[in-house]
Amino acid sequence: DTAVSQTPKYLVTQMGNDKSIKCEQNLGHDTMYWYKQDSKKFLKIMFSYNNKELIINETVPNRFSPKSPDKAHLNLHINSLELGDSAVYFCASGLGVRHTEAFFGQGTRLTVV
Amino acid sequence: GDSVTQMEGPVTLSEEAFLTINCTYTATGYPSLFWYVQYPGEGLQLLLKATKADDKGSNKGFEATYRKETTSFHLEKGSVQVSDSAVYFCALSRQDDMRFGAGTRLTVKP
Repeated sequence: DTAVSQTPKYLVTQMGNDKSIKCEQNLGHDTMYWYKQDSKKFLKIMFSYNNKELIINETVPNRFSPKSPDKAHLNLHINSLELGDSAVYFCASGLGVRHTEAFFGQGTRLTVV
Repeated sequence: GDSVTQMEGPVTLSEEAFLTINCTYTATGYPSLFWYVQYPGEGLQLLLKATKADDKGSNKGFEATYRKETTSFHLEKGSVQVSDSAVYFCALSRQDDMRFGAGTRLTVKP
């Protein structure tokens, strides 16, 4: 049983396309996150949702639109993909309480050509 | 805003060497502090955590102590193994917000 699952694992697409990455967690957590990891492994928070409500939007271009249909899902839709969007995107979930950890998915490697 | 600063890598050690990876943080209030590890091709896994000042987190021979006076949470291990080769991330957490350092790549050679 995968706790946090993302699909697809790999995504190769052309510039200008629109794509989505799906994330689901079965841990019963209220908080979900999206992180972007660049080629140097730097991990930057993009969004945080608590119970379907947006909590953090960290200066992400508005081409990126998260969608949370319920608290177990947080999908990431990206419009008009650019070369600089190439990265590994990680979904994570947690209780959203200060002293508890986040659980990460396996990541989605997005390559824009 | 809150932030985490880690020592830059990469770090290369021989097996059984002593490891220290420095981590300092900037935050108001009292965040919780974490170390995560990322093995090649995988997501991040929690290694250890500490939730208040002077707490020591430990796991798999790794340790880190939450030092409020120096705003630090340095990761240490007395004797590293080849299997410890990975990228290590320091992180701090508040409610609904978890911030990571830049990551430090560790390579352990036999």
